[in-house]
Amino acid sequence: EAGVTQSPTHLIKTRGQQVTLRCSPISGHTSVYWYQQALGLGLQFLLWYDEGEERNRGNFPPRFSGRQFPNYSSELNVNALELEDSALYLCASSLPGAPNYGYTFGSGTRLTVV
Amino acid sequence: TQLLEQSPQFLSIQEGENLTVYCNSSSVFSSLQWYRQEPGEGPVLLVTVVTGGEVKKLKRLTFQFGDARKDSSLHITAAQPGDTGLYLCAASNAGGTSYGKLTFGQGTILTVHP
Repeated sequence: EAGVTQSPTHLIKTRGQQVTLRCSPISGHTSVYWYQQALGLGLQFLLWYDEGEERNRGNFPPRFSGRQFPNYSSELNVNALELEDSALYLCASSLPGAPNYGYTFGSGTRLTVV
Repeated sequence: TQLLEQSPQFLSIQEGENLTVYCNSSSVFSSLQWYRQEPGEGPVLLVTVVTGGEVKKLKRLTFQFGDARKDSSLHITAAQPGDTGLYLCAASNAGGTSYGKLTFGQGTILTVHP
């Protein structure tokens, strides 16, 4: 069974640019979560999508947005990139109705903003 | 804001030693999870505990959820170099604005020397 897949694995962008990160969940998982892991800050919750809808959102500015497609894959968009957006962006998925019982994470997208 | 405090932040031990990592909060959680993360990879779920006082064992790893569901511990017996990694605790609540969102501790970096 394929795990959670994320693309690209690495990305370098210039301040002010926009970026789109992609995630495919495990087959049968309908929920997708996005987390930011910046150096020294631990994992911070960004967004939760389930059945195509945004279910919860972390304390991030509106320039962080995303969507979930009918096949449950998801995109995370970050506009007007800032240097402090440099981080590992992790996507995770879980079974329907089971967000509190553990996620399966992908390997992440390493974003560097210069 | 729910906070999880993990201790110690760093742990450097010799192969064969025992160790305990702690995860504490002033909040009550409906479930708590432990993950292990290696460099360049996403966190991997080790265990989920949901009942106060619950103890789970995974080979040489023993996980405990506090009676009041505010704290947890991870004990490793006879550590091996393969146990080296970042250990993260994460907690969630079943409802309200925190539903579907995991709050992570800052992590414990464990290094086991041969």
